[in-house]
Amino acid sequence: GAGVSQSPSNKVTEKGKDVELRCDPISGHTALYWYRQSLGQGLEFLIYFQGNSAPDKSGLPSDRFSAERTGGSVSTLTIQRTQQEDSAVYLCATPLGTGVGSPLHFGNGTRLTVT
Amino acid sequence: KNEVEQSPQNLTAQEGEFITINCSYSVGISALHWLQQHPGGGIVSLFMLSSGKKKHGRLIATINIQEKHSSLHITASHPRDSAVYICAVTLGYGGATNKLIFGTGTLLAVQP
Repeated sequence: GAGVSQSPSNKVTEKGKDVELRCDPISGHTALYWYRQSLGQGLEFLIYFQGNSAPDKSGLPSDRFSAERTGGSVSTLTIQRTQQEDSAVYLCATPLGTGVGSPLHFGNGTRLTVT
Repeated sequence: KNEVEQSPQNLTAQEGEFITINCSYSVGISALHWLQQHPGGGIVSLFMLSSGKKKHGRLIATINIQEKHSSLHITASHPRDSAVYICAVTLGYGGATNKLIFGTGTLLAVQP
């Protein structure tokens, strides 16, 4: 696709339920990031995928969070047994180039609200 | 202490004023990014710098690697420039990750 597409744009879920967030990156881009932006907070790195390399999961806040990227394209971020502190905007981004530090193209995010 | 510090946190300016937003970092980086987020909007990448200076329209970004400092300037500011401006750094030099560390952002309001 022409841009980074995320779905759903909004998700309201009850505490304790599992949620899946989807990111469809720019076609052909091998690198993909997940971030989140909590209310009143800055951006927080979650996980980074680069090609067939093992993902950098160092930002995942707990073992309730997991992510996968199938076929080097679409990625899903799964949050199990959601908690109210998981409420945030979850953002996906891909680098516009292939070099280290390439500018990023962000999706519009999924606003997750856990009630 | 955050590894990326921005100042000021909030800035109110009158239309036409010259604006400067500062970013200091304490880690080794390969690149620095300036991002823009309008209220309720998505995040847009403005600049990616590894040295020197870049200009795009009324926006200018500079970086001093030795001093670990970058500035974002807006000339002839306009109300449509009102947004959150975020500084982010890419750690290290190459390797398996391009992990970014973000500053907390500067909320800019330009009044007509």
